Amino acid sequence: NAGVTQTPKFQVLKTGQSMTLQCAQDMNHEYMSWYRQDPGMGLRLIHYSVGAGITDQGEVPNGYNVSRSTTEDFPLRLLSAAPSQTSVYFCASSRQGNGYTFGSGTRLTVV
Amino acid sequence: AQKVTQAQTEISVVEKEDVTLDCVYETRDTTYYLFWYKQPPSGELVFLIRRNSFDEQNEISGRYSWNFQKSTSSFNFTITASQVVDSAVYFCAIHNPFATDSWGKLQFGAGTQVVVTP
Repeated sequence: NAGVTQTPKFQVLKTGQSMTLQCAQDMNHEYMSWYRQDPGMGLRLIHYSVGAGITDQGEVPNGYNVSRSTTEDFPLRLLSAAPSQTSVYFCASSRQGNGYTFGSGTRLTVV
Repeated sequence: AQKVTQAQTEISVVEKEDVTLDCVYETRDTTYYLFWYKQPPSGELVFLIRRNSFDEQNEISGRYSWNFQKSTSSFNFTITASQVVDSAVYFCAIHNPFATDSWGKLQFGAGTQVVVTP
C-alpha cells in the first residue's frame, strides 16, 4: 500500500496562475480532505469529501475548488494563485473518521 | 463548533527531562475522538494516538503517556526522558465521526514546538 500520495512535493507559481494539487489514496477510504498549514495556525481545513461525488467546504475554502469523481482521487485546484496561498498543503484520508492518514505535503510558493 | 487550544507555543528541554504538552478542547458533542500527531522537521504528520471520549483511561506507550480528563476538557501528552529525536511540532486534534455536520472535519490546535537539546 502506498497510503496517501501527494504530488508535486514543491511548486512555485506566479500570481494569477492556476494549478492542481494531486492526491490519491489506495486504502479505499471514504473520507478525504485538504488542509493548509501556516506558521502558528496549525492545520486548517480547506475542503473535504465523505465519498465519491460528495464534497463540502471547510474553514478556508476561498480560492480553491475540489471534485471527487472516484474514491481514490481528490484533487485540489487553485483557480488564480495569490501570495496568500503560499503554504504547505496536506491531503488526508480516513475510514469514517476513525483515524486520518496524511500525505507527505506540498510546499507551494506564490510569487 | 469544535475548538482545540494548545497554549504552549514552544517548549525547550534538555535531554532526559520530562515534557508535558497541554491540550484543551471545546465541543458540544458527547461523542468524539481526540488525536495527537507529531510533525518532525522532515514535515510529515505522524499519528500518535486516538482516544474515544467514552474511554477516560490514561494510556502509556513507551516513553509517551496521555492523560485524558473529560471534566476539564483536557488531553495532555507527556514525553518521559526526552530525546533529541523527540524534537518536533506536536498537534492535538478533535473529530466527531458520528455527527453528520462533522464528517470529514478534523479540527487541529495550533501546535506546540518541542526542542530537545543534548
